[in-house]
Amino acid sequence: DTAVSQTPKYLVTQMGNDKSIKCEQNLGHDTMYWYKQDSKKFLKIMFSYNNKELIINETVPNRFSPKSPDKAHLNLHINSLELGDSAVYFCASSLGTVSSYNSPLHFGNGTRLTVT
Amino acid sequence: KQEVTQIPAALSVPEGENLVLNCSFTDSAIYNLQWFRQDPGKGLTSLLLIQSSQREQTSGRLNASLDKSSGRSTLYIAASQPGDSATYLCAAFPTGNQFYFGTGTSLTVIP
Repeated sequence: DTAVSQTPKYLVTQMGNDKSIKCEQNLGHDTMYWYKQDSKKFLKIMFSYNNKELIINETVPNRFSPKSPDKAHLNLHINSLELGDSAVYFCASSLGTVSSYNSPLHFGNGTRLTVT
Repeated sequence: KQEVTQIPAALSVPEGENLVLNCSFTDSAIYNLQWFRQDPGKGLTSLLLIQSSQREQTSGRLNASLDKSSGRSTLYIAASQPGDSATYLCAAFPTGNQFYFGTGTSLTVIP
């Protein structure tokens, strides 16, 4: 199936731990994103990569580090997890560079992170 | 900075009704505006994308319009069905490098 897939779907962990979320897209897209959706369902961008290069880095704690080994993958590593990191994290992709963008965003199904 | 607002936050209608969801944005210099649907526990599904040069887009029972000058977009759903129940989000793509999302409208279609 052509899609944006992210794993795991659920992640429950304790404060202070380090965890990773993986994302892969087989749509042939050039740009990938990580979004965070808070408890009020508000979506906010965290990072964006185009062809493995970081192009958007919003005000996100440096405990969050994205890694893009190739343009089909964008993983998110989180160090020293805090209670406030609990949220749903969505990976997304789009065709083309961001500034010439005119094709839809495609989202993964999300990873629900719970920090206890 | 772009701000996107969606009204109403929640809407409940009987099956078969036509309805309109509203989206307003503060920066009219946008490349495009996109409407999404989010089902509980799922990711977002793109419904319609309107480029800045377009006024509207249609897909089946859905019609989205865009008025850049007034900073507004509407999503019209004809003959609503229970399967349309979901949260609908709009996202504006301004002259920058990211989408700004609205807070969504939670739609319930009552059989």
